[in-house]
Amino acid sequence: DTEVTQTPKHLVMGMTNKKSLKCEQHMGHRAMYWYKQKAKKPPELMFVYSYEKLSINESVPSRFSPECPNSSLLNLHLHALQPEDSALYLCASSQARVGQPQHFGDGTRLSIL
Amino acid sequence: GQQVMQIPQYQHVQEGEDFTTYCNSSTTLSNIQWYKQRPGGHPVFLIQLVKSGEVKKQKRLTFQFGEAKKNSSLHITATQTTDVGTYFCAGQRGAQKLVFGQGTRLTINP
Repeated sequence: DTEVTQTPKHLVMGMTNKKSLKCEQHMGHRAMYWYKQKAKKPPELMFVYSYEKLSINESVPSRFSPECPNSSLLNLHLHALQPEDSALYLCASSQARVGQPQHFGDGTRLSIL
Repeated sequence: GQQVMQIPQYQHVQEGEDFTTYCNSSTTLSNIQWYKQRPGGHPVFLIQLVKSGEVKKQKRLTFQFGEAKKNSSLHITATQTTDVGTYFCAGQRGAQKLVFGQGTRLTINP
């Protein structure tokens, strides 16, 4: 059971599609994260929001666009993705400061055709 | 930049044997965290170590943080099939982001 909910669990999209990944937590956490994870690799940080403001962008290509509408929600908008973007996308949250112990969602398994 | 090296990359043991994974950082850390990811699952937080020389235990798991706060280990005594998964350490320097090690994938022969 996870307290961080991600939807959808699976997503298949073409390179010209636009889609969004969603993440929700109700633990009152104020830091939220997007990670990308390839098979047999560690999670790779993409973005961090702290108190609903973007605090870290790990030089992610602009085809990935994060959004934090409020303290409980985190979105990742996808457009014109490449096949190498196929991966597991994990959302996580932590209490307040960046780097505090993180609660991960189950992830969205993304396949780009 | 900050790097966290983790060894071994893979470990296969017989059920009941012990298991240890090691993490080493190129810089002094403010804290180190350990996560477990089951096959097909997501990382789950296990523990955070903050103090120099700290040792913490969770049942059969023992976590250590080195005196210089640059290395850490996770030791599992008498492994069980439920211990299967990939164990990641993740270090933080100051208020910066967590940096994950490459992980140690543990498989167990029942």
